[in-house]
Amino acid sequence: DTGVSQNPRHKITKRGQNVTFRCDPISEHNRLYWYRQTLGQGPEFLTYFQNEAQLEKSRLLSDRFSAERPKGSFSTLEIQRTEQGDSAMYLCASSSTGGRGAYGYTFGSGTRLTVV
Amino acid sequence: SQQGEEDPQALSIQEGENATMNCSYKTSINNLQWYRQNSGRGLVHLILIRSNEREKHSGRLRVTLDTSKKSSSLLITASRAADTASYFCATYNAGNMLTFGGGTRLMVKP
Repeated sequence: DTGVSQNPRHKITKRGQNVTFRCDPISEHNRLYWYRQTLGQGPEFLTYFQNEAQLEKSRLLSDRFSAERPKGSFSTLEIQRTEQGDSAMYLCASSSTGGRGAYGYTFGSGTRLTVV
Repeated sequence: SQQGEEDPQALSIQEGENATMNCSYKTSINNLQWYRQNSGRGLVHLILIRSNEREKHSGRLRVTLDTSKKSSSLLITASRAADTASYFCATYNAGNMLTFGGGTRLMVKP
């Protein structure tokens, strides 16, 4: 297992197009998280899954955003009708379920989205 | 929204010096974690300190936590040019996810 894998690494798209990102977590981890990070800022939480169940969604996740984790394995994040404000780094992380959040997250290298 | 706020926002030091970064947060926590991010890359977990712990060490890293003041500090001793990165504190609470601060950008000059 080589860690958390995200594809693609970079995506340039025209405004109004749909884009989909994929995240493959560490296989033993049952929790998967999506964050968004803009330049010079810390990551902002978008959503998380425990196994295949989506348990929490941020208000940042407008109705143009949807995330899935079929069968509790890989996850996809889709953005429909992209806007320039969607340009950011999209980070995926996974972790085990620990008591009181006892484990740190393992992050992927991210997908950098540029909307032109 | 971002729970933690790091101070300073940017720090520049010479190789061999110590670097101290501070983090303040607003609500009660289960644990606090520090992460490092090299430019354009993902975040790497450095250290986790639980709410009932006051100090923790890992190699050249020393983390303190003061829950009464809702603050934490990260000390990197004998810094190296390779320590140049952004450092983020993140709090874990009953919401079951990490909330990150804005980060401290550390530059270590050779």
